[in-house]
Amino acid sequence: ELKVEQNPLFLSMQEGKNYTIYCNYSTTSDRLYWYRQDPGKSLESLFVLLSNGAVKQEGRLMASLDTKARLSTLHITAAVHDLSATYFCAVVFVGGSNYKLTFGKGTLLTVNP
Amino acid sequence: ETGVTQTPRHLVMGMTNKKSLKCEQHLGHNAMYWYKQSAKKPLELMFVYNFKEQTENNSVPSRFSPECPNSSHLFLHLHTLQPEDSALYLCASSQETAGTYNEQYFGPGTRLTVT
Repeated sequence: ELKVEQNPLFLSMQEGKNYTIYCNYSTTSDRLYWYRQDPGKSLESLFVLLSNGAVKQEGRLMASLDTKARLSTLHITAAVHDLSATYFCAVVFVGGSNYKLTFGKGTLLTVNP
Repeated sequence: ETGVTQTPRHLVMGMTNKKSLKCEQHLGHNAMYWYKQSAKKPLELMFVYNFKEQTENNSVPSRFSPECPNSSHLFLHLHTLQPEDSALYLCASSQETAGTYNEQYFGPGTRLTVT
């Protein structure tokens, strides 16, 4: 069974602090996405990770991928209130003729002043 | 308009009603998707269309009926829904369903409430 597990599911942190969100998946995959969703809004693509050891950074967010461990991390550096949102990882699995995107449950991040 | 649009943004319907959700993409993509996002559950893929042909039906009940008249438009026809069908329905598109170009772009969603 295809599984994508994120933890934590809820994260409340202070501004200025660092933290990491973890994404584990159950089957070999060749790519992983991180999305952000604000309340009532759509999903916004943050990162696409395509290979083992891939690391991408945008502002205070850095994502990495370890395909051997089937693990991706989203590291938050010196959090600010604007980062409050739900973050999803999504893993591509090959299913039939399609590459299926399977999502984790999401991590609700709240950054407090 | 740009990107992926969905209408209506909010919909309240009774269990005996028939309604339709509409999705339109302005990205020149060939693949379109319907997802269901319920509280406390991961996004669930419902249907996939590639070049107007349905390529995936993820065991979705027949009270949900998709239609893809062309690569830019996708509909989800709803009839005799149940309260547990209340959710956010998201449409997405990608250049194709496989390979390098399958990054999906999402619409804003339709918040559906079944009473």
